[in-house]
Amino acid sequence: NAGVTQTPKFQVLKTGQSMTLQCAQDMNHNSMYWYRQDPGMGLRLIYYSASEGTTDKGEVPNGYNVSRLNKREFSLRLESAAPSQTSVYFCASTLTPRDEQYFGPGTRLTVT
Amino acid sequence: DQQVKQNSPSLSVQEGRISILNCDYTNSMFDYFLWYKKYPAEGPTFLISISSIKDKNEDGRFTVFLNKSAKHLSLHIVPSQPGDSAVYFCAASDNTDKLIFGTGTRLQVFP
Repeated sequence: NAGVTQTPKFQVLKTGQSMTLQCAQDMNHNSMYWYRQDPGMGLRLIYYSASEGTTDKGEVPNGYNVSRLNKREFSLRLESAAPSQTSVYFCASTLTPRDEQYFGPGTRLTVT
Repeated sequence: DQQVKQNSPSLSVQEGRISILNCDYTNSMFDYFLWYKKYPAEGPTFLISISSIKDKNEDGRFTVFLNKSAKHLSLHIVPSQPGDSAVYFCAASDNTDKLIFGTGTRLQVFP
């Protein structure tokens, strides 16, 4: 039981490049989330998927797209990376929105 | 507009003493609150939660207190241990699908 896994762990991009961050959970959770963590800003919600087949914007969705590929997988795509997207990205999942969220280990992204 | 605020970026406590981490919120619709703990290079992990129908919840060394009238919650760790050194985030939910997180407090427990 791996919990929530994220790939890659580290990534360096040049401005304008695109990439997809992958997230998978093996806990049969319904809801999945993408956050970014920046110094002094805490965890800010980018997008979430309350259930398979649905996605919604969070607090800071601009510059990102998501896909809930199936119940297990929720990917985050940066179409044209910008230096402001340099951050640590966390994926999380929960059985129901009122339960505790389980977080992955994070992806540290640097955009130069 | 920060709906969940942790006004102390850092806290330093001696081992064996009590650590008190504070959190304030502005949205009166929040009815469920959680604390998460985060070590460097790891994802946050759930610590303890409290529903708005309660004013206290205890789990071992960790107790969360909720003061609804003041829109304030606090996490008490007694006794503090060096392994408690981490960043602590409070989070709140208003029965939607989302959590709103505070900015975190870095706790350092020294011998």
